[in-house]
Amino acid sequence: SQKIEQNSEALNIQEGKTATLTCNYTNYSPAYLQWYRQDPGRGPVFLLLIRENEKEKRKERLKVTFDTTLKQSLFHITASQPADSATYLCALSLSGGGADGLTFGKGTHLIIQP
Amino acid sequence: GAVVSQHPSWVICKSGTSVKIECRSLDFQATTMFWYRQFPKQSLMLMATSNEGSKATYEQGVEKDKFLINHASLTLSTLTVTSAHPEDSSFYICSAIRLAGGVGNEQFFGPGTRLTVL
Repeated sequence: SQKIEQNSEALNIQEGKTATLTCNYTNYSPAYLQWYRQDPGRGPVFLLLIRENEKEKRKERLKVTFDTTLKQSLFHITASQPADSATYLCALSLSGGGADGLTFGKGTHLIIQP
Repeated sequence: GAVVSQHPSWVICKSGTSVKIECRSLDFQATTMFWYRQFPKQSLMLMATSNEGSKATYEQGVEKDKFLINHASLTLSTLTVTSAHPEDSSFYICSAIRLAGGVGNEQFFGPGTRLTVL
């Protein structure tokens, strides 16, 4: 069966360090993968999208990698800050059509400790 | 930026009643909107895809007669939970894709609606 797994339910990181979150998937061949941030009681906020033919994407302190052989994406936050504390979701789209719903992982709750 | 709103942000209703949730794209036209449901500490689950002017496409296991979706314009989709029961209590979130956005479109999510059925 198809599955998306995010490395841990919770991750504690000290302020200033790099936080690395993992998203593994099985039995999918996604056209692209997205990362979202979700705060309690709120809808997800888009962070980054990476396509199957891209290895790495960056945006300010964020970096995403996508390894279709390993079926894994890594999400990095460098110079982490307490304000980065939130739940981070990875989401897959199966088709490249651009207008399909997303399949989400359960998320990793990231806590940045001052 | 692209803003999606939902109304109401929370609602409490009695078992057996119907509840309507609105999803609006405020500053862009959305060809496609999606409805998701999220139970506590669970991932968002896609319920249905809503295209303007046509019938919604429902995911497997989602009852189309219970969750009525209407996408009457390029900026508004509504989800009506009919004959709601306590097990329908959840966080309902909509998202929208900008018109003619191309492949791999960013989805803009609403803030969610917390439904509690007593």
